[in-house]
Amino acid sequence: DTGVSQDPRHKITKRGQNVTFRCDPISEHNRLYWYRQTLGQGPEFLTYFQNEAQLEKSRLLSDRFSAERPKGSFSTLEIQRTEQGDSAMYLCASSARGVNEKLFFGSGTQLSVL
Amino acid sequence: AQTVTQSQPEMSVQEAETVTLSCTYDTSESNYYLFWYKQPPSRQMILVIRQEAYKQQNATENRFSVNFQKAAKSFSLKISDSQLGDTAMYFCAFMKLPQGGSEKLVFGKGTKLTVNP
Repeated sequence: DTGVSQDPRHKITKRGQNVTFRCDPISEHNRLYWYRQTLGQGPEFLTYFQNEAQLEKSRLLSDRFSAERPKGSFSTLEIQRTEQGDSAMYLCASSARGVNEKLFFGSGTQLSVL
Repeated sequence: AQTVTQSQPEMSVQEAETVTLSCTYDTSESNYYLFWYKQPPSRQMILVIRQEAYKQQNATENRFSVNFQKAAKSFSLKISDSQLGDTAMYFCAFMKLPQGGSEKLVFGKGTKLTVNP
C-alpha cells in the first residue's frame, strides 16, 4: 500500500492558462474522488469515478473543469482558462470495492492562480 | 442538503490533557455515517474515527472517542492524553448511506487544534 499519490504538489499559473493535475489511487481501489479545499474551509466534493466511469459531478464543476480516469487507473483533473477563484487545494481520494469502505486521501495539489 | 457545523475555529490543550471538539449536523436522512478526519501540516486527510448512525454505542479508537447524540444531531470528538502529534486541523464529516457506490462526504469548516508542551 503506497497510498494515494498526487502530482504536482504545488502549481502556480497565470490567469487564463490551462492546468492539469494527476492522481494515482491505491492500486486495487476502483473508486476515485476529487475534492476542492479553499482556505478556511473543509473539502468540497467535485466528482466521483467508479472504475473508468464518471458517475457523479458536483455543480461546483463548471464547464472549464474536466476529469478523466482512462482504464480505471490514474485520474486527471484539467482546469481550462484558470481564474483566480480556482486557487485552492485539490484533493484526490480512493476507496476499494465494497460497501462503505474507508476513503484514503492524497496530500493534494495546491493551485495558485496569479 | 446536509450541512455540518463546527463552531470552534481554534482550540488549544496542554499535552496529556483531554480536549473535546464539537460538531453538529443537519439532515433528514435516518441512515448515515459520521466521521472525524485529521489534517496535519502535511495536508493529507487521515481518518480518525467513524460512527454509524444506526449504532447507539459510541465509537472509540484508542485515545479518541465520540459522543454521538442522534436526536440532538451532535457528534463531538474527545481526545484523551493529548500528544504533540495531535496538533492538526480536525474536520467533522457526514456521509449519507451510499447509493450507487458514491461515498460522498460533506465536511465542516474544521477546528484547528494546537497541543502545547
